[in-house]
Formats: sequence, C-alpha cells, structure tokens
Amino acid sequence: DIQMTQSPSSLSQSVGDRVTITCRASQSISSYLNWYQQKPGKAPELLISAASSLQSGVPSRFSGSGSGTDFTLTISSLQPEDFATYYCQQSYSTPITFGQGTRLEIK
Amino acid sequence: QVQLVESGGGVVQPGRSLRLSCAVSGFTFSSHAMHWVRQAPGKGLEWVALIAYDGSNEFYVGSVKGRFTISRDNSENTLYLQMNSLRPEDTAIYYCAKASRGTGLLIDYWGQGTLVTVSS
Repeated sequence: DIQMTQSPSSLSQSVGDRVTITCRASQSISSYLNWYQQKPGKAPELLISAASSLQSGVPSRFSGSGSGTDFTLTISSLQPEDFATYYCQQSYSTPITFGQGTRLEIK
Repeated sequence: QVQLVESGGGVVQPGRSLRLSCAVSGFTFSSHAMHWVRQAPGKGLEWVALIAYDGSNEFYVGSVKGRFTISRDNSENTLYLQMNSLRPEDTAIYYCAKASRGTGLLIDYWGQGTLVTVSS
C-alpha cells in the first residue's frame, strides 16, 4: 500500500498569511495526487486534482504543485473560511490512501 | 446538481450486520465508479471500497475484506455497503462518494455521511 504523509499535522495561522502544506508518498504516484478540504461536521470537498488542477469554483488563492513523491498545497492569503482540515489523497492505485490530515487553525 | 444521500446507519452490537444505502441523483449513476469512505470519530479519512460503474469489479481495504461487500443497482441509482461481522473499530461516519471519469480512483463528490456505531 502507498503511504501518504502530510506535514505539519496542525498549524495556527492568521488571516492574510501564506500557508504551505506538504504531502509525501511512499513511492512515486506521478501526478495522481488530490487535495480535499473538510470543515467540522461536513463532508470533504475536492479542491485540487492531478496535483495542480483547481476544481471549478475553488478560489484562485489555492494552488497545488509537485509530482512523483512530493507535493504541496499553498493558500496564498488565508481567508476566514479557509480554516479547516486538509487531506491529500493518492489516486494512483488501490487501496486509495489519504494523508493523516492537516488542521489549519486561526491564530 | 449531484446529490448523494446515505442511510442505514445506527447502533449495532459487535458481530452483527448492517446495510448502508446511498441514493444518488444529478448525474448518470451507471457511468461512474462509486466509493465508500469512512471517518472514525475525531480521526482522518479511510477509504473502504470501490465498485466499477457496471459492478464488474470491486476493491476493498484490507481491514474489511471478507466482511464488507459493496454493490450497486444501476436501475435504482443506489449504492450499497453490506457490513457483516462488525467490530468496534468499524465505528465511523460512512460516506458514499462519486468517482470522476477516468481511472475511477478520483473522488469528486461526497454525501453527508451516515454514522455507524458498533457497541455492546
């Protein structure tokens, strides 16, 4: 199974900050890496697919990059609605696996 | 718009069975693979199972193999998860999720989930 490791597990940031979350796969997954946002009590929502493809309706302050084993999710200027938990997920092979999540909190 | 509505969750004793359902609308169900993903209370996301668009193939995470069965009824636009021999560690919110086209491994929409609690 492919292990996905996110860092950090949590971070405390302020509105307007630039944030970077990293995700590392235990083997190469090409660009089969997706990012999801989950708010408390809600289902996850797809933000970015194929490492860098922003989903329709997702603000342009979100961006993704990387390939192979190392990936990043960047939020260029945090907004109040961005405080949530973020998960990376590999869609390279089954079993599909997720990172452990990064909880983004307001400082 | 895409809608996925899970049902069938509840409290069940260890060793017993439960069947979850997911009624879908807003897309051509028979053209898309479907998934179940779960989330234990306060924990992260764990993929559980995948079924091909036509039901011809199924895949499972190791911890549920032999106990859970994913199935679908394309005439009723409904996805199922039959869960047997339930264990306390199966306690979670279970999400039904739609796969995008292509490999079927990219999840693009999620239901709101149904809570399964396994406890004596």
